[in-house]
Amino acid sequence: SQKIEQNSEALNIQEGKTATLTCNYTNYSPAYLQWYRQDPGRGPVFLLLIRENEKEKRKERLKVTFDTTLKQSLFHITASQPADSATYLCALDHSGNTPLVFGKGTRLSVIA
Amino acid sequence: GAGVSQSPSNKVTEKGKDVELRCDPISGHTALYWYRQSLGQGLEFLIYFQGNSAPDKSGLPSDRFSAERTGGSVSTLTIQRTQQEDSAVYLCASSPGTTHSYEQYFGPGTRLTVT
Repeated sequence: SQKIEQNSEALNIQEGKTATLTCNYTNYSPAYLQWYRQDPGRGPVFLLLIRENEKEKRKERLKVTFDTTLKQSLFHITASQPADSATYLCALDHSGNTPLVFGKGTRLSVIA
Repeated sequence: GAGVSQSPSNKVTEKGKDVELRCDPISGHTALYWYRQSLGQGLEFLIYFQGNSAPDKSGLPSDRFSAERTGGSVSTLTIQRTQQEDSAVYLCASSPGTTHSYEQYFGPGTRLTVT
């Protein structure tokens, strides 16, 4: 079965720097990869979706890359702000016909 | 517009009791998912409804768990004879798409505590 590893449980970064979160997967390459943000006591909120034939996707200060050779996705937040502090989840979809598999998430803390 | 809502927000129950958790998806969304999230764990898929198709129950951990979706809208997740290991946050999500590749909109969750 698909296994997902997000680089670390927690990441601390200084305000204004670029935060980089990693999502590694084993086995088959997903057709789609999604990133979500989850705040304490809340449900996850969708951020970005990237397809296997896309190398990069951007949305405002967010950037996602997808490297099927390395079996890895990187999630970047540029000019990070304390309000970006949250847990970020990656989720993989093999074909669109199987449910998403979620990673455990990385808890990001942006320190002012 | 209104997002996904879940009720109750918190539920404390005694071991062995049955519980019902409710989810109101976004109007017009054909897909509805239930997940379970335990402390320090990722989201665990439980069940998926898509339109009038038979639900995908492949994630249900035991036959004590069941779910219904009436009229293609509201869904109820039922856990019978609750056990302490059932304690978790139960999240519901809806999606406008007909495949799993679409973004999902999550509710705030129901925190279930089995004593």
